[in-house]
Amino acid sequence: AQSVSQHNHHVILSEAASLELGCNYSYGGTVNLFWYVQYPGQHLQLLLKYFSGDPLVKGIKGFEAEFIKSKFSFNLRKPSVQWSDTAEYFCAVNAASNTGKLIFGQGTTLQVKP
Amino acid sequence: EAGVAQSPRYKIIEKRQSVAFWCNPISGHATLYWYQQILGQGPKLLIQFQNNGVVDDSQLPKDRFSAERLKGVDSTLKIQPAKLEDSAVYLCASSPGLAPYNEQFFGPGTRLTVL
Repeated sequence: AQSVSQHNHHVILSEAASLELGCNYSYGGTVNLFWYVQYPGQHLQLLLKYFSGDPLVKGIKGFEAEFIKSKFSFNLRKPSVQWSDTAEYFCAVNAASNTGKLIFGQGTTLQVKP
Repeated sequence: EAGVAQSPRYKIIEKRQSVAFWCNPISGHATLYWYQQILGQGPKLLIQFQNNGVVDDSQLPKDRFSAERLKGVDSTLKIQPAKLEDSAVYLCASSPGLAPYNEQFFGPGTRLTVL
């Protein structure tokens, strides 16, 4: 069965620090990969996605993620975090099927100290 | 455009009681999803509709959970009878179509507490 693992449950950073959140998935076939974010009191929203092509994808608010097929990974990065990045981040995988079914990781809570 | 609407936002019931959640997707979105998010975990898909047909309900506990989307627009998710382990946030999402490149838009969720 497909699964998604996020290595860090809770990350605390100071403003301007660099961020990397790990995500690994278990599925041998073609995958579509996503990062979703949930800001305090708001809905889950799409941060970025990868389907094909350049393995380095850029999303909103300066976030990017790199797909490394050999490592089954899709890590999220941001060079310099801001207090407003405080949120919960979810990695999700779709097995490139003909449906949009997503398998989510357990989430990482990011707390940015001003 | 209006987002995905869900009601109620919060619900507290006792075990063995019944409860129903309602979802109104974004206008024109053919695909509708119900997810269960237990505290400390990511969302887990319960059921997926394409218009008024079920695409995937493999993870829906059918002995107690049911869902419908009769006219291909609004949807209701029901739990009968509820168990303590059903305490979770129930998220509804919609997208324009089945293809995975279609972004899923999430509603605010319904937080269910079963006592």
